[in-house]
Amino acid sequence: SQQGEEDPQALSIQEGENATMNCSYKTSINNLQWYRQNSGRGLVHLILIRSNEREKHSGRLRVTLDTSKKSSSLLITASRAADTASYFCATASTGANSKLTFGKGITLSVRP
Amino acid sequence: GAVVSQHPSRVICKSGTSVKIECRSLDFQATTMFWYRQFPKKSLMLMATSNEGSKATYEQGVEKDKFLINHASLTLSTLTVTSAHPEDSSFYICSATSGWNTGELFFGEGSRLTVL
Repeated sequence: SQQGEEDPQALSIQEGENATMNCSYKTSINNLQWYRQNSGRGLVHLILIRSNEREKHSGRLRVTLDTSKKSSSLLITASRAADTASYFCATASTGANSKLTFGKGITLSVRP
Repeated sequence: GAVVSQHPSRVICKSGTSVKIECRSLDFQATTMFWYRQFPKKSLMLMATSNEGSKATYEQGVEKDKFLINHASLTLSTLTVTSAHPEDSSFYICSATSGWNTGELFFGEGSRLTVL
């Protein structure tokens, strides 16, 4: 069953605006990761946030994690047309033999 | 960063034939590789976890005789779709990790399989 659920499913913004994408999950996690996928391509890892972390930054990316609400958000600031892609959150559950479970993804369109 | 190479990127085959997809970690040793299937505008569905030198662990509902996985070395895993049918047409993606603890995954570019 799907662990991560992203929200919204699709987002269209103007270049220069900020894009906020949300992810909710159901079970306890070891970490949560965000990935990007350009159409017809593989996934690229963007950022990983551990369960004991609340916020993390990487360039124009800011990720927050609220384990009490079982939710995370990915903020892309000053968006560019090249940010157009699908974004997935993935959760790594606690325990041995953990594996990543991906959400359904968010399609972000940045209009030039 | 770590590079995972997946080949072929596109393959078209006739129904009933078998197709092999290779996944290679180019600059690191991948103790574990994962095979995913992705339908259009959908999420990644984990098919199986492949560990070097041992049998793959398949997810529920994935036919192990249909999707043969071999992880013969620390840098190569293969997925063979046997007796392919049109419903097997999909985007197959592999990923690799160098450690057992679930950290960052490195993905191949995917293989688009079309079965006629």
